Amino acid sequence: QITLKESGPTLVKPTQTLTLTCTFSGFSLSTSGVGVGWIRQPPGKALEWLALIYWDDDKRYSPSLKSRLTITKDTSKNQVVLTMTNMDPVDTATYYCAIYGSGSYYNEKYFAYWGQGMLVTASS
Amino acid sequence: NVMLTQAHSVSESPGKTVTISCTRSSGSIASNYVQWYQQRPGSSPTAVIYEDNRRPSGVPDRFSASIDSSSNSASLTISGLETEDEADYYCQSYDSNNHVVFGGGTKLTVL
Repeated sequence: QITLKESGPTLVKPTQTLTLTCTFSGFSLSTSGVGVGWIRQPPGKALEWLALIYWDDDKRYSPSLKSRLTITKDTSKNQVVLTMTNMDPVDTATYYCAIYGSGSYYNEKYFAYWGQGMLVTASS
Repeated sequence: NVMLTQAHSVSESPGKTVTISCTRSSGSIASNYVQWYQQRPGSSPTAVIYEDNRRPSGVPDRFSASIDSSSNSASLTISGLETEDEADYYCQSYDSNNHVVFGGGTKLTVL
């Protein structure tokens, strides 16, 4: 059974750096083909992709947020960490992590399992 | 930058069929796979279609999808509408650099 759960601060002040951790079980990020992504959703608004990290440490970032984002993985801890610098009230959103890939070799490329999400508020 | 445009909302009656569209702003819709996600109120998204027209295990065959190169769009069709289908639906694809792109979402009301 694959599960993912996001953790981190629920409130950050403007200009601070947000650090979110995705802790997962039921798969290994060392398995060829698999990835873990971060997606956010401001209240009442659409999904927005942020970043993706693959089993081989290949990393992809949203072009519009690339300068503020860093994604890393700790395979031994089954964790993926996303940092976002210079937080602003417009970054208030529910942040989700999701496994990217499905099937025997994770060759079916889509966000197959999602965490429950966590609301992060950026406010002074 | 590639944008995926969806209608803000659509409504239909139980038992009927509804189609939700997703139009790609630049580049061919056929050049990258399209996925569709369902998000019920208060819940995380779940995939209902991947790779243009494939259903994940457990998704009923009432859900189908296609792409249309002439209109540069993708469509999700839900037949035999049930009240539990009421949700937001998001299309997702990629830009030319394989960056993930989501559409703006369509709110489906089943009334």
